[in-house]
Formats: sequence, C-alpha cells, structure tokens
Amino acid sequence: DIVMTQAPLSVSVTPGESASISCRSSKSLLHSNGITYVYWYLQKPGKSPQLLIYRMSNLASGVPDRFSGSGSETDFTLKISRVEAEDVGIYYCGQLLENPYTFGAGTKLELK
Amino acid sequence: EVQLVESGGGLVQPGRSLKLSCLASGFTFSNYGMNWIRQAPGKGLEWVASISSSSSYIYYADTVKGRFTISRDNAKNTLYLQMTSLRSEDTALYYCARTSGAYWGQGTLVTVSS
Repeated sequence: DIVMTQAPLSVSVTPGESASISCRSSKSLLHSNGITYVYWYLQKPGKSPQLLIYRMSNLASGVPDRFSGSGSETDFTLKISRVEAEDVGIYYCGQLLENPYTFGAGTKLELK
Repeated sequence: EVQLVESGGGLVQPGRSLKLSCLASGFTFSNYGMNWIRQAPGKGLEWVASISSSSSYIYYADTVKGRFTISRDNAKNTLYLQMTSLRSEDTALYYCARTSGAYWGQGTLVTVSS
C-alpha cells in the first residue's frame, strides 16, 4: 500500500500569514498519462471533508485561490496564503492513483 | 445541487450485520464511480471500498475484504454497503463520496458494541 506522510501534524498560524503543509508518498503518484493523483481535503470542525485540490495542483470548484497545490512525483505541498478564520480544521492529503486509496494522518491548522 | 445522503447506521452487536445506503441527487449517478470512506472517532480518514459507474470494478480495503460488500442501483441513484461480521474496530462515521472526493455526504454513524 502507498503510505502518505504529512508534516507537520499541527500548525498554528497568525491570521493573514501563510501556511504550508507537506505530504510525501512512498511511491510515485505520477501516472503514465501525466497526471499526478494526489488530492487535498479540508475537514472543518464537525463537518464532512471537502475537496480543495485535485490532481496535485488543480483548485476545486468554489475554493478560494488562496489555496494552491504543488509538488513532484512523491513530495507535495499545500500552501495557504493569507490564512483566515474559516481555514481552521484538519487538512488531509490522499492518493487516488491505486487501490487501496490512502490518506495522510492529517494536519491540524489552528489560529494564533 | 449535488447531494449525498447516507442512512442505515446505528448500534449493532459484534458479529451482526448492517446495511448502509447513500441516496444521490443533483448529478447523473450512473456516470460516476463511488466510494465508502470511514472515520473512527477522533481518527483520520480510511478508505473502505470503491465501485465503478457500472459496477464492473470493485475494490475493498484489506480490513473489510470478505466482510463488506459494496453495490449500487443506478435506477434508484443509491449506493450500498452491506457489512457483516462487524467488529468493534468497525465503529466509525461512514461517508459516501463521489469519485475523487469532490462531494461527500454528511456520514452515518455505525457503533459496534455489546
């Protein structure tokens, strides 16, 4: 199974500042079709997860452009520019390249 | 508006069975693969099972293989998860999600306890 390792497990950010979350996969997530199958989700307190970024760098519908995703074949980054109060929650990376789909342990973002 | 509404959760004794449903609306259900993903209390996300749009391809996590069965009825816009031989470690909030996780339901809670 592909292991997804996130860092840090928690981050505290001053509103208006930026934050970065890293995710590393144990295997390349680059498919032969050129698509990298890493996804980012945010689970706000008491809510279902929501998709932020798909296929490494594509912003999901309705997601503010303060969010961006980047990376290589095995190392990925979610960046949040100008953090707002509504960004609080747990961020998960996930791989949908192959079954079993797997997720990172999550990164909890809090405000200072 | 896309909606996924899970139902069927509850309290069940170890070894018993339970069937979850997920009613989809707001999109052409038969065009999309679907997933069940669960979250144990205070824990992270665990993918459980996937089914392709026409049910041709089905996959399970090793932790549920042989005990859980995913299925769908495209005429009823409904996804199912038949769970048998339930264990305490199956206690979780079960979400249905459309392929890639673009849409998630609100979840249905399954508690396995005597």
